[in-house]
Amino acid sequence: QKEVEQNSGPLSVPEGAIASLNCTYSDRGSQSFFWYRQYSGKSPELIMSIYSNGDKEDGRFTAQLNKASQYVSLLIRDSQPSDSATYLCAVRVGAAGNKLTFGGGTRVLVKP
Amino acid sequence: DGGITQSPKYLFRKEGQNVTLSCEQNLNHDAMYWYRQDPGQGLRLIYYSQIVNDFQKGDIAEGYSVSREKKESFPLTVTSAQKNPTAFYLCASSIGSGGQETQYFGPGTRLLVL
Repeated sequence: QKEVEQNSGPLSVPEGAIASLNCTYSDRGSQSFFWYRQYSGKSPELIMSIYSNGDKEDGRFTAQLNKASQYVSLLIRDSQPSDSATYLCAVRVGAAGNKLTFGGGTRVLVKP
Repeated sequence: DGGITQSPKYLFRKEGQNVTLSCEQNLNHDAMYWYRQDPGQGLRLIYYSQIVNDFQKGDIAEGYSVSREKKESFPLTVTSAQKNPTAFYLCASSIGSGGQETQYFGPGTRLLVL
């Protein structure tokens, strides 16, 4: 079992709709969770971080964390063609210092 | 202009050759990292350093070496022992404490084998 798992996609979403991305992790000691967006050929850029159970909203993005079920999700509201990218979930296990473990990423395609 | 810089953008390696990828940051971040990304996959940690003159192996350190002589610089050498070096190499640095460290990435170096 991979430590951090994501559906590779592609997730095809009509423009203006909500894109829902999921990420599951295996280590119950995980404390910090991050979503990065990566355009083709570019480096990842941070979208959201979340540390506590519940929802965290930032503009059109909402991260949701459920530690009991070991998943973290990202919602993109009012999806735009510019949101077409690969979204990487990253998890830090508390005892591992600053190490992040990344999922394989979910490719999102927003169709006009 | 603050940030993380990586050079070169593209690097070609011949068989049996060692090559060094540069990573510099002027963000005053203490920790720095090297990741490798293969097509269609996530990032895998090669090495990381939390303070000057100290570094630790990540998940795929074999065939790579690093140094951390200055806070601003964390070069990665891909040695001839790395038999499959073709990949996108990403350097990152982090700030924060109490478990809420956040990593930021440089633009990356794409390494190709001739």
